[in-house]
Amino acid sequence: GQQVMQIPQYQHVQEGEDFTTYCNSSTTLSNIQWYKQRPGGHPVFLIQLVKSGEVKKQKRLTFQFGEAKKNSSLHITATQTTDVGTYFCAGPGGGTSYGKLTFGQGTILTVHP
Amino acid sequence: NAGVTQTPKFRVLKTGQSMTLLCAQDMNHEYMYWYRQDPGMGLRLIHYSVGEGTTAKGEVPDGYNVSRLKKQNFLLGLESAAPSQTSVYFCASSPAGTGGDSPLHFGNGTRLTVT
Repeated sequence: GQQVMQIPQYQHVQEGEDFTTYCNSSTTLSNIQWYKQRPGGHPVFLIQLVKSGEVKKQKRLTFQFGEAKKNSSLHITATQTTDVGTYFCAGPGGGTSYGKLTFGQGTILTVHP
Repeated sequence: NAGVTQTPKFRVLKTGQSMTLLCAQDMNHEYMYWYRQDPGMGLRLIHYSVGEGTTAKGEVPDGYNVSRLKKQNFLLGLESAAPSQTSVYFCASSPAGTGGDSPLHFGNGTRLTVT
C-alpha cells in the first residue's frame, strides 16, 4: 500500500536557525497536506499543495511540492520558540482507498532559545 | 461552534475490558476518521468513513470496530482491550472532496491506557 515517509524524525535547532523537513510518497499524490501539532495538542492543518512544482509561503514557512508530485518539503526560516512541535505531511490514498489520508511519521522540532 | 468533540479525554482499562470512544462533529462533514498516535509512529489510520452508514479499514484496523449510524457521530469500539492498544486516539473529520483532498479537523484526543 501507499507509504509516506518523512525525515528527519527529530531536529534540534538554536533559535534563529533554519529548519527543513522532507516528505516522500511511494505513489504519485493528487495533493499533499501539512499539519502542525504542538506538544500535548492535536494536529492542526497548515496548508495544502495541489500543483506539480507548487511553492506556497506562510510568513516564515515555505512549502514545496515536487515536480513528480511524490515529494514535498517544509522550510522554516529563522526559527522561533513558537515553532516547536511536530510537523506532519499527509497524502490521500486515491483509487480504491477513496477518502483515506495517510500521514508521515512526523518531524519533531525542538528550538533552543 | 464546537468542531470535533471526543469523549472521554482519558481512560484506563484492564486487559480484556471493552469500551467505546465517541466522536461528534457539528460541521456537517461527510468524512470521519480514527487515528492512533504512538511515539515515533506518527498518526496511523485505524478506520474511516466517507459517509453515514459506511466504514472502511485503515492501516491498523485489527482489534477495533467502528460505526457511523449518524452523520455527525463516529464510534470506535475496543471489544477486548490489550496493552498494545495503549495510545492517544484522535478523531478527525473533513468535508467531502474528490477523495482525501480536504483538510482534516481534529478533536483533542483520548489518552487510553490498558494495563
